[in-house]
Amino acid sequence: DTGVSQNPRHKITKRGQNVTFRCDPISEHNRLYWYRQTLGQGPEFLTYFQNEAQLEKSRLLSDRFSAERPKGSFSTLEIQRTEQGDSAMYLCASTLGVGDEKLFFGSGTQLSVL
Amino acid sequence: SQQGEEDPQALSIQEGENATMNCSYKTSINNLQWYRQNSGRGLVHLILIRSNEREKHSGRLRVTLDTSKKSSSLLITASRAADTASYFCATEPNSGTYKYIFGTGTRLKVLA
Repeated sequence: DTGVSQNPRHKITKRGQNVTFRCDPISEHNRLYWYRQTLGQGPEFLTYFQNEAQLEKSRLLSDRFSAERPKGSFSTLEIQRTEQGDSAMYLCASTLGVGDEKLFFGSGTQLSVL
Repeated sequence: SQQGEEDPQALSIQEGENATMNCSYKTSINNLQWYRQNSGRGLVHLILIRSNEREKHSGRLRVTLDTSKKSSSLLITASRAADTASYFCATEPNSGTYKYIFGTGTRLKVLA
């Protein structure tokens, strides 16, 4: 297992369409995180999972965003009715958890909403 | 929202010089981490310092943490052109949650 994998790398969509991103974490990692990053800014926390349980979701996240992690393995992030303001890099990260808190990031999915 | 603020926002130095960047945060923390991000890529973990530690070293990296001032600094010694990247601090708040809050970043450019 070479690391955290995200697909697709790039996604171009029209405003109003739904998009779904996938993240495959490092296999033994219990925690999985989603972040959003815009140009020149730091990653902004969206949500995180402990195994299959979604433990926290940012208050900044509208109801158009939903994430799942079935069976505590891969995760998907769906954005419904995309808006131009959703254009950003969506980053996934995973970690073992307590005792080893460093995050391993994927290369991200760059979303462009036209 | 972002917990950390890095300072300076941008830094340009000559190869061989030392680079220092600072991070300030708002709430009590369990640990603080530094990450590097090359343009358009994911972040790479550099070093973690826990709230009961004051200083840590890893190769050419030196990190300090002052919990009374809610601040940390990252020193890169003998910088190289390959160190050109954005550097972010990330904090784990001491609030029973495991979310990591990133700062705004310092963009470092090392000139050959």
